[in-house]
Amino acid sequence: AQSVTQLGSHVSVSEGALVLLRCNYSSSVPPYLFWYVQYPNQGLQLLLKYTSAATLVKGINGFEAEFKKSETSFHLTKPSAHMSDAAEYFCAVSGSGNTGKLIFGQGTTLQVKP
Amino acid sequence: GAVVSQHPSRVICKSGTSVKIECRSLDFQATTMFWYRQFPKKSLMLMATSNEGSKATYEQGVEKDKFLINHASLTLSTLTVTSAHPEDSSFYICSARDRGRGPGELFFGEGSRLTVL
Repeated sequence: AQSVTQLGSHVSVSEGALVLLRCNYSSSVPPYLFWYVQYPNQGLQLLLKYTSAATLVKGINGFEAEFKKSETSFHLTKPSAHMSDAAEYFCAVSGSGNTGKLIFGQGTTLQVKP
Repeated sequence: GAVVSQHPSRVICKSGTSVKIECRSLDFQATTMFWYRQFPKKSLMLMATSNEGSKATYEQGVEKDKFLINHASLTLSTLTVTSAHPEDSSFYICSARDRGRGPGELFFGEGSRLTVL
């Protein structure tokens, strides 16, 4: 079985500060990992994905994430937060059997203070 | 990029009526679509997997007779909430898998907010 745990349901940073959103996964097979962002009353938008190529993955809007197998982690970072980054962020792992099914973490709300 | 469209974005209905939500892949063929339900301040709960031309696969605890899913073509899946009750009020999101892309990558609709009075 696969699962994802996001540490911290709410993260608050100042504008211009480092953003770090934590995600740990559990998987019995090599995982595919994803970060999605959701703005209020909207669907999800893919930020970035890891699919067994480079362990450091760069995404849109200046975000990146590093796959660390030894730590079973896939933390999301951005060097400098912008007000427009305030949103809900979801880490997800692809289900086994290449079904396309995604298993989501609980989500982390990012607040950016001016 | 791949676009998935949901309609309606908001719907209000009376208790006991049925509501249909459409999910369309606009520029790609989606043999598989997924329906999620999202409660306020909560993550997405997978309800069912919709496969074109076959019956949907429901997750444990999801009533298939209440949440009817039809995937009649490669670009359209529908979710019908039958005999809706206030507890069915929620944000419903569909997603579609583009066969031409990597495994697991899904494209999401804008979501449909259902309010049952």
